[in-house]
Amino acid sequence: AQKITQTQPGMFVQEKEAVTLDCTYDTSDQSYGLFWYKQPSSGEMIFLIYQGSYDEQNATEGRYSLNFQKARKSANLVISASQLGDSAMYFCAMRQLQGAQKLVFGQGTRLTINP
Amino acid sequence: DAGITQSPRYKITETGRQVTLMCHQTWSHSYMFWYRQDLGHGLRLIYYSAAADITDKGEVPDGYVVSRSKTENFPLTLESATRSQTSVYFCASWTAPYNEQFFGPGTRLTVL
Repeated sequence: AQKITQTQPGMFVQEKEAVTLDCTYDTSDQSYGLFWYKQPSSGEMIFLIYQGSYDEQNATEGRYSLNFQKARKSANLVISASQLGDSAMYFCAMRQLQGAQKLVFGQGTRLTINP
Repeated sequence: DAGITQSPRYKITETGRQVTLMCHQTWSHSYMFWYRQDLGHGLRLIYYSAAADITDKGEVPDGYVVSRSKTENFPLTLESATRSQTSVYFCASWTAPYNEQFFGPGTRLTVL
């Protein structure tokens, strides 16, 4: 079975600082994808970034990067130069790349950016 | 409107009543999913569907029923609502070659 663990229930960061949100995963699959979603207070789920298990380079999308360490089974999200609008709930998730395509989510980390 | 929509957005019901949450997508994505979000649990999969007339259970299916007679619709029914089913429900869809699942806006359900 797949499992995602996010050990930081909440984080507080000063504006313009970089922040790392931790995510570890457990799976016996060889082919899988790792995702980060953002959920602002308005409630919608916003896709941020994706990393495939066979991708050799870490994924980047603008200010977001995914620090993928396969041997350690970690997929940390790094947000550079944080902004007030980054305050939200962040979820790490995993999906098998074969079969049911269902996502397994972590419990989330609530990030608060202080001015 | 293009995309994935859910209705109603908010619903209050009483214990024992039947409730149906609607999900509609305009993209003709093959896969559709229902998740529930509760504090401390993140999102958990209730049911999913790989295509019309093909559905399967997820992690927390008890008390829920789904159907998918058309590709674009995936309703979720609570046959006899319980207080433990008070939650926010998200519908999502996916198809290749996309990586991410696309989420609807969510339905906040309160069972009194």
